Amino acid sequence: EMQLVESGGGLVQPGRSLRLSCAASGFTFDDYAMHWVRQAPGKGLEWVSSIRWNSGTIGYADSVKGRFTISRDNAKNSLYLQMNSLRVEDTALYYCAKRGSGETLWTFDLWGRGTLVTVSS
Amino acid sequence: SYDLTQPPSVSVSPGQTASISCSGDKLGDKYLCWYQQKPGQSPVLVIYQDTRRPSGIPERFSASNSGNTATLTISGTQAMDEADYYCQAWDSGPHVVFGGGTKLTVL
Repeated sequence: EMQLVESGGGLVQPGRSLRLSCAASGFTFDDYAMHWVRQAPGKGLEWVSSIRWNSGTIGYADSVKGRFTISRDNAKNSLYLQMNSLRVEDTALYYCAKRGSGETLWTFDLWGRGTLVTVSS
Repeated sequence: SYDLTQPPSVSVSPGQTASISCSGDKLGDKYLCWYQQKPGQSPVLVIYQDTRRPSGIPERFSASNSGNTATLTISGTQAMDEADYYCQAWDSGPHVVFGGGTKLTVL
């Protein structure tokens, strides 16, 4: 069974850092681009960042550019999000999502359950 | 940056047809997909490549995408379809954009 499991969330003060992890299983991790998507409490989905299978192309939403860094370790089937200079508005449930392939290329065909990040003093 | 606009809410009676719109500049030139999200759950893909249903998604879910508007249609809406629905497309390069989401109420 294909699965994504996020971890690393928690309560952190503004200005501090946090590193999220996403463990993938049940599929060939290094065949796929991976993304982070977040959802603030009671709000909609917001794309955060993406990384190609070989880390060759990386993208960030303007709201996190310069503060967040996405990375992956294909040997460990893991995706990461290093979040620095956190702000109150970064408070959200952070999902790890797998990009599809073939007919589902332009979608996220697998989502984790999310890890909650709360930024508050 | 590219924007997708959805109505915040749509209401429908059980058994009737619900339509949820998603608009964006030349949206018909992009591949659009739709996700369903129920409270406390992760999003689930219900439509991909504008009109196609993943396996396991009921036939009552259909969609279209042309010009500047895409539409998700749920025929014979059931109580279990009550959820938030999000459209999503790819912007330039690796960037992705979601619509603001539409809360579907079945009453």
